[in-house]
Amino acid sequence: GNSVTQMEGPVTLSEEAFLTINCTYTATGYPSLFWYVQYPGEGLQLLLKATKADDKGSNKGFEATYRKETTSFHLEKGSVQVSDSAVYFCALKGGNAGGTSYGKLTFGQGTILTVHP
Amino acid sequence: NAGVMQNPRHLVRRRGQEARLRCSPMKGHSHVYWYRQLPEEGLKFMVYLQKENIIDESGMPKERFSAEFPKEGPSILRIQQVVRGDSAAYFCASSPRISGGPVRETQYFGPGTRLLVL
Repeated sequence: GNSVTQMEGPVTLSEEAFLTINCTYTATGYPSLFWYVQYPGEGLQLLLKATKADDKGSNKGFEATYRKETTSFHLEKGSVQVSDSAVYFCALKGGNAGGTSYGKLTFGQGTILTVHP
Repeated sequence: NAGVMQNPRHLVRRRGQEARLRCSPMKGHSHVYWYRQLPEEGLKFMVYLQKENIIDESGMPKERFSAEFPKEGPSILRIQQVVRGDSAAYFCASSPRISGGPVRETQYFGPGTRLLVL
């Protein structure tokens, strides 16, 4: 079945530092890949997505490139801000989920990011 | 366009009671998904519904849990005879129906209902 593995957290950075959160996945076929962000006490917000190999998703300074050869979708940001402190989830949909299960998202365990001034 | 609405935001129940969680999808969305987030864990899929139909309930516990999405009104996730292990955040997501099927649709999440079982 499908699975997503994220780098262990928590991650603590100083403001303006470079961010990388690793994400690798297991799925056959061609899943769609997503990064969601969850702020304290809130639901998940879609941050970016990519639906085919070599696509780059980007939003609010965050980027991630769909790498089929390494089955990865690492999240990066060149200069983080305090307001980026949140939990980040990598997720996939489709691939070999099969039949009517194509709709469900499979999530990684989440990475807590804390950015200090 | 209002986002996905969930209520209540917080729900406290004693063991053995019933919990009813409601989800109103975004306007024009006909697909609803329920996910559960246990403490310190990621979200786990529970069930996928379209209007009046359960499409995939492979993530639902076999007993005590049920879900519906009637023709009119919100989707309901019902937990009977709650136990402490049911304490979690329950998130609903909705998506529109577009060509290319569910794999191409973006899911929009509600704020969640945090269930605490005493």
